[in-house]
Amino acid sequence: GENVEQHPSTLSVQEGDSAVIKCTYSDSASNYFPWYKQELGKRPQLIIDIRSNVGEKKDQRIAVTLNKTAKHFSLHITETQPEDSAVYFCATRNNAGNMLTFGGGTRLMVKP
Amino acid sequence: DAGVTQSPTHLIKTRGQQVTLRCSPKSGHDTVSWYQQALGQGPQFIFQYYEEEERQRGNFPDRFSGHQFPNYSSELNVNALLLGDSALYLCASSPGPGFTDTQYFGPGTRLTVL
Repeated sequence: GENVEQHPSTLSVQEGDSAVIKCTYSDSASNYFPWYKQELGKRPQLIIDIRSNVGEKKDQRIAVTLNKTAKHFSLHITETQPEDSAVYFCATRNNAGNMLTFGGGTRLMVKP
Repeated sequence: DAGVTQSPTHLIKTRGQQVTLRCSPKSGHDTVSWYQQALGQGPQFIFQYYEEEERQRGNFPDRFSGHQFPNYSSELNVNALLLGDSALYLCASSPGPGFTDTQYFGPGTRLTVL
C-alpha cells in the first residue's frame, strides 16, 4: 500500500519568514495531493490541493509543488503569521478509490 | 449551509464495550469516509460508504463496522473496545465517490477507552 513520509515533524520560524514542508510517497499511481491544516482541537481543513497533471499551484501566501518523477511534493508558506501556527498534514490519493493516505504531520510554530 | 457534523463530541468507554459514532455529511454530499486519528499522528482511513454500501476499507479489523442511511448520514460501530482504540474519529464527506472529489472533515468524536 501507499506510504507517505512527511518532514520535518516540527518547524519553528519567525513571523514573516517562509516555511517549507516536504512529503514523499511510494505509490506511483497517486494522482491527487491535498494539504490539510489542523489547529488544536479542531477538524482538519483543506488549504490547498494539486492534481498530477499540474506541477505547481499557488493561492495567495500558500503554494504547492509536485515532482511526480521523484514522487515528492512540498507546501510553501510565505510571509508567515502567528495564525499559521498549526499541524499540517499532506495526503495522497490514487484513482483506485477515494481513500486518503496521510503523512505524520508537521507542527508549525510561528513566533511573533 | 451546515458542514459535516458529528456526535457525540466526546465519549468515555471501558474495555470490551461497544460504541456507535454518528456523522451527517455536508449538504449535497452523498459519500462518507471514516478516519481514526491517534494522538500526534495523521488520520488513518477506516472505510468509505456510498449508496449505503461499504465501498473501500482500510487496514482495520472486523470489530470496526459501519452503516449508511438513505439520507446519507453514517454510523461507525466499534465492538470489543481495546485501549488502543482511544483516538479522535473523523468523518469526511464528499460529493461523490470519485477520485476527483474533495473530502471535507467533521469536528471529530474523541473516544477514550479506559
